[in-house]
Amino acid sequence: DGGITQSPKYLFRKEGQNVTLSCEQNLNHDAMYWYRQDPGQGLRLIYYSQIVNDFQKGDIAEGYSVSREKKESFPLTVTSAQKNPTAFYLCATSAGDRGADTQYFGPGTRLTVL
Amino acid sequence: GESVGLHLPTLSVQEGDNSIINCAYSNSASDYFIWYKQESGKGPQFIIDIRSNMDKRQGQRVTVLLNKTVKHLSLQIAATQPGDSAVYFCAENTHRSDKLIFGTGTRLQVFP
Repeated sequence: DGGITQSPKYLFRKEGQNVTLSCEQNLNHDAMYWYRQDPGQGLRLIYYSQIVNDFQKGDIAEGYSVSREKKESFPLTVTSAQKNPTAFYLCATSAGDRGADTQYFGPGTRLTVL
Repeated sequence: GESVGLHLPTLSVQEGDNSIINCAYSNSASDYFIWYKQESGKGPQFIIDIRSNMDKRQGQRVTVLLNKTVKHLSLQIAATQPGDSAVYFCAENTHRSDKLIFGTGTRLQVFP
């Protein structure tokens, strides 16, 4: 996990509620990423940010939002518009501003919608 | 518990044997490859990487082989241990892209 922390480890949400997942890093990495992982599937990119105050949509951004106000932090909000939010969410960072650099992952947050 | 890895291909090996996990990639322009290990309920852990100007790279007990002709990547684990039990997946990228593409993974089970 290195210097990447995600909280909480487990999160429960009622349908119709927004919820924010935290990702903090002390690696001084420029780029940060949010992925979603479902059983039997590869990681799918939700949003990513290569620099403070800038971010781009990934492959499955609908129903999610992010902010990058500080280099160390990249919170992900799962909105009520996300149809099937139950999943394991992973935050990653990389030193450069290219995905071609190695990405390092946090411990993950498991979100369950009740 | 963590249910990541349901319905994944599984490789079962005896403790002490060598393991070989394979990955096929589709983009002939990919020039950077990474292997990750993911234990149940945890985030993926970097194992080893390789760039396309190499065909082999060795780490501690692990070796990655790259065959660009057939677009194939493999991870070899020597003297497999119970602690190696996990899901392993590869990732690829090109220098022109800012995203990694991940495979679905292979579950490695080590039995005594």
